[in-house]
Amino acid sequence: GEDVEQSLFLSVREGDSSVINCTYTDSSSTYLYWYKQEPGAGLQLLTYIFSNMDMKQDQRLTVLLNKKDKHLSLRIADTQTGDSAIYFCAESMGYKLSFGAGTTVTVRA
Amino acid sequence: GAVVSQHPSWVICKSGTSVKIECRSLDFQATTMFWYRQFPKQSLMLMATSNEGSKATYEQGVEKDKFLINHASLTLSTLTVTSAHPEDSSFYICSAGQRTARRGETQYFGPGTRLLVL
Repeated sequence: GEDVEQSLFLSVREGDSSVINCTYTDSSSTYLYWYKQEPGAGLQLLTYIFSNMDMKQDQRLTVLLNKKDKHLSLRIADTQTGDSAIYFCAESMGYKLSFGAGTTVTVRA
Repeated sequence: GAVVSQHPSWVICKSGTSVKIECRSLDFQATTMFWYRQFPKQSLMLMATSNEGSKATYEQGVEKDKFLINHASLTLSTLTVTSAHPEDSSFYICSAGQRTARRGETQYFGPGTRLLVL
C-alpha cells in the first residue's frame, strides 16, 4: 500500500472553503508538500511545511500539520473555478518524495 | 524562479523506435533530477534519480537498459525510452531538486511529456 493516503475526490461550491486531508507514515519526514496538477500538466508546488511547524498560511492556503497523528491538511479559502485540479500531498523521505494518490477537487458554480 | 522545462511535450512513435525526452532547469542548477511516470488517474511513480556526472539510481522494477538516463550537466537530464512498446505509453514527468538552507531540497516539476507508442 501507499505510505501517503488521501481521499480521492472532493466537490465544493465556488466561494466555499475546501479542505483536503492527507495522512503519512514516516515520522522522520522533514518537509511535507502540497502540489497541484491541472489536466495534462506537470506538478506545481503550492506550499510546504517544515515538520516542526503546526500551521502555515499563504494567502488563500492554510496548511495544518498534526505530527502526533501524522495528519496534514490543506485548506483553500474562497475556492474558485481555477482551483479545480488534482492535489497531491507528499512527504520527504531523504532526498525522495513519496506521493499520495491525489485528491481531485471539482469546483461547482 | 525555479522553472523546469521538458521537451517534447508529446510524442507519438511506432513500436520499436527509441524516444528521447529532455528535462532542463532553466534558472537554477539542480543538485539532483528525478524521472517519474504517471498512469491515468494515478499518482506519480518514481522511476529513477540522477545526479550530474554519475550513474542514475533506478527504483525497483524499472529496467535500466530500457530507460536510459543521462545527466550531462547541472541543468540537463535526458530519459531515452529504448525500443518503445505500447505498454510504455504514459505521461513522463521530470523534476529538478533545488537545495536551499531554508527549504532543504525542494523538487520543481516539468510540465510532462505524453508518450504514445503505436
